[in-house]
Order: sequence, then C-alpha cells, then structure tokens
Amino acid sequence: DIQMTQSPSSLSASVGDSVTITCRASQSITNYLNWYQVKPGKAPKLLIYAASSLQSGVPSRFSGSGSGTDFTLTITNMQPEDFATYYCQQSQSTPRLTFGPGTKVDIK
Amino acid sequence: QVQLVQSGAEVKKPGASVKVSCKASGYIFSGYYIHWVRQAPGQGLEWMGRLFPNSGDTNYAQKFQGRVTMTSDTSINTAYMEVTGLRSDDTALYFCARDSLLWSDALDIWGQGTMVTVSS
Repeated sequence: DIQMTQSPSSLSASVGDSVTITCRASQSITNYLNWYQVKPGKAPKLLIYAASSLQSGVPSRFSGSGSGTDFTLTITNMQPEDFATYYCQQSQSTPRLTFGPGTKVDIK
Repeated sequence: QVQLVQSGAEVKKPGASVKVSCKASGYIFSGYYIHWVRQAPGQGLEWMGRLFPNSGDTNYAQKFQGRVTMTSDTSINTAYMEVTGLRSDDTALYFCARDSLLWSDALDIWGQGTMVTVSS
C-alpha cells in the first residue's frame, strides 16, 4: 500500500502570510495527487487535482506543485477563511485511495 | 446545481447496522463513481470505497471488506452505504463524494455528511 505523510502536522500563521505544506508518498505516484481543505463538521473541498491543477472556483492564492514522491501546497496571502486542515490524497493505487494525515493551519 | 444530499444523523447500538443514503441531482448520476469517506471525531479522512452506479461495480478498502456494502438505485439517483456489525470506533461523520470528470479519483462534489454515533 502507498503511504502518505504530511509535514508539518500543524502550523500557525497570520493573515497575509504565505504557507507551504508538504506531502510525501512512500513510492512514486507521478502526479496522482489531490489536495483538500476541511473545516470542522463541513464537507471537504477539492482545491488542487493532478498535483498542480486548480479546481474551478478556488482562489488563485492556492497552488500545488511536485511529482513523483514529493508535493507541496502553497497558500499565499492567507485569508481568514483559509484557516482549516489540509489533506493530500493519492490516486496512483486506484481504485484504492489514500489520504495523508492532515495539516492543521491555525491563527497565530 | 450539482449536489449530493445525505440522510440524517443516526444513533445505533453496537452490533447493529446502519444504511446511509446520498441523493444526487444536477448531473448524470449513473456516469460518475460515488465514493464514501469517513472522519472519526478528531481524526483524519479515511477512504472506504467507491461505487459505479451504471454497473453497480464496487471497490472497497481492505479494512471494510465484508462489513460495508455500497449500492445504488439509478431510478431515483441515490447511492447507499451500509455498515454492519457496528462498533464504537465506527462513530464518525460519513461523506459521499463524486468523482471528478476532469481527473479520475479527485472528489469534486461532496454531500453534507451524515453523523453516525455508535453507543450502548
């Protein structure tokens, strides 16, 4: 099974900051990597698919990069609504999908 | 608009079963995989499996094989997920989600979630 790790597990940021979250796969997943934003008690929201493609309707301050085993999600100019938990998800091993453990971004 | 609407919260006793529904609207239900994902309190997202409504084909995470059944009724655009032999660690918020047309296995539309509480 492909294992996903994320770092850091949590971080604190201020409005206006840039934030980078890293996701690592236990083996190459080429670009089969998606990113989600989750707020407590709410449905996840797809932000990035195929490692770097911005989902329709998602602000351009969100961006994704990487391939193979190492990926990043960057949020520039953090806004109040961006404080949430972020998960990566691999689909290389379809049909069995795996989520990373999550990175919680809270207000400094 | 495209949406998935799930059934309401459930409280069940250990050993019981629960069946959660997910009604789709605004798109061709039979043509997209429906995935089920759960989130236990304070925990991360866990993929449970997926269903292709057009054929009824299913794939389950190994952890849930034999205990989870995913079905659909295309006449009413509704998917179902049943968990049997409930345990306290099945207490979680259960989501259905649609496969994106643009990138397979990216989940672009989600239901609002159904809270299932297992308690004696």
